Amino acid sequence: KQEVTQIPAALSVPEGENLVLNCSFTDSAIYNLQWFRQDPGKGLTSLLLIQSSQREQTSGRLNASLDKSSGRSTLYIAASQPGDSATYLCAVSGNQFYFGTGTSLTVIP
Amino acid sequence: SAVISQKPSRDICQRGTSLTIQCQVDSQVTMMFWYRQQPGQSLTLIATANQGSEATYESGFVIDKFPISRPNLTFSTLTVSNMSPEDSSIYLCSVGPYQETQYFGPGTRLLVL
Repeated sequence: KQEVTQIPAALSVPEGENLVLNCSFTDSAIYNLQWFRQDPGKGLTSLLLIQSSQREQTSGRLNASLDKSSGRSTLYIAASQPGDSATYLCAVSGNQFYFGTGTSLTVIP
Repeated sequence: SAVISQKPSRDICQRGTSLTIQCQVDSQVTMMFWYRQQPGQSLTLIATANQGSEATYESGFVIDKFPISRPNLTFSTLTVSNMSPEDSSIYLCSVGPYQETQYFGPGTRLLVL
């Protein structure tokens, strides 16, 4: 069964800092990998989708990379802002979606 | 993209009762999913809601406890039956095929006393 792990579980950074969130998965047979943002008490918002044939995707200050062979993905957030504070989840798609446990990010003004 | 709404947004229920959660999508979709997110945990897939046939349940989830309806391509309901405090969670519906972006509803926050 696919297992998805996210490190760190929590992260606190000062505003303006660049940061990296990590996601690892055990089975490389995936369709894609998605990064989501979840605000407290809310649903999930899709940030980036990387197809299995792709290496990275960019959207604004966000850049996500995928190394399928090693079972790793990173989400890079540039010039962090207090509004980036949320829980970030990665999910891999195989015969269903498998979610990581999330990284809780706090950006301190 | 798809816009998804859920009702109710939150509820507090008594042990032994049942709650039906509705999920409405603004466009026709083939695949619709129901997830549970227990406090401090990630998302766990409950079942895939199939239009015109029975839902497909994941290991650990059964139809008697979580009956699902999918009467058309834009709507589904999930019922949490005979509730206990362990059912206190956020319940989310989502849409999208496995190869594409997943869209999620805002979730239903359930507290069982």
